[in-house]
Amino acid sequence: SYVLSQPPTVSVAPGQTAKITCGGNNIGGKSVHWYQQKPGQAPVVVVYDDSDRPSGIPERFSGSNFGNTATLTISRVEDGDEADYYCQVWDTTNDRVVFGGGTKLTVL
Amino acid sequence: QLQLQESGSGLVKPSETLSLTCAVSGGSISSIAYTWNWIRQPPGKGLQWIGHTHHSGSTVYDPSFRSRVAISIDRSKNQFSLNLTSVTAADSAVYYCVRGQRAVFDGNWFDPWGQGTLVTVSS
Repeated sequence: SYVLSQPPTVSVAPGQTAKITCGGNNIGGKSVHWYQQKPGQAPVVVVYDDSDRPSGIPERFSGSNFGNTATLTISRVEDGDEADYYCQVWDTTNDRVVFGGGTKLTVL
Repeated sequence: QLQLQESGSGLVKPSETLSLTCAVSGGSISSIAYTWNWIRQPPGKGLQWIGHTHHSGSTVYDPSFRSRVAISIDRSKNQFSLNLTSVTAADSAVYYCVRGQRAVFDGNWFDPWGQGTLVTVSS
């Protein structure tokens, strides 16, 4: 079945740029979506369809998807961005949703 | 603004059936544009999709749950439900009900999410 690979942790200083990757076989041919989850809260979509932002999500959040890697980029990182981030796609072969294992973003 | 709210038993005995309902407010569950999903998260772990239903009542389930899951829709009450049979401790998790929106290429992305409800499987 289709597998998405994320680094378990990413650390960044405030004001810097964080890049969270999501690896999958030819993931560039799929729509990739990203969710932010803070402790004790439900996930919230921050990027959908590779690079679109829902209303209310800051422009600091952006996404790209090419080849075997999708990337969530968070510019000018703030303390409030500290959270778990999950990527997600649809596995067309098995008709199922696949989530990456999640990346914990730590703001130093 | 659409809101989803899970309800149901927070404690289920092993081998019994887990039953949850998701009440949808601020919008119609009969819209053809969306799917209605259940996603769970075991404590300290990642997200796992269980399945979804459409306004028509058709369903798609993750293969790992297919033999023991049923998701149904009640348009008259604007709600949908999850039944998971033969539960074990491994089914202990926070269960979220979520609206799915069609992606550009394939599948759905998920927004909004309910607040989640913790279900513990224990005797």
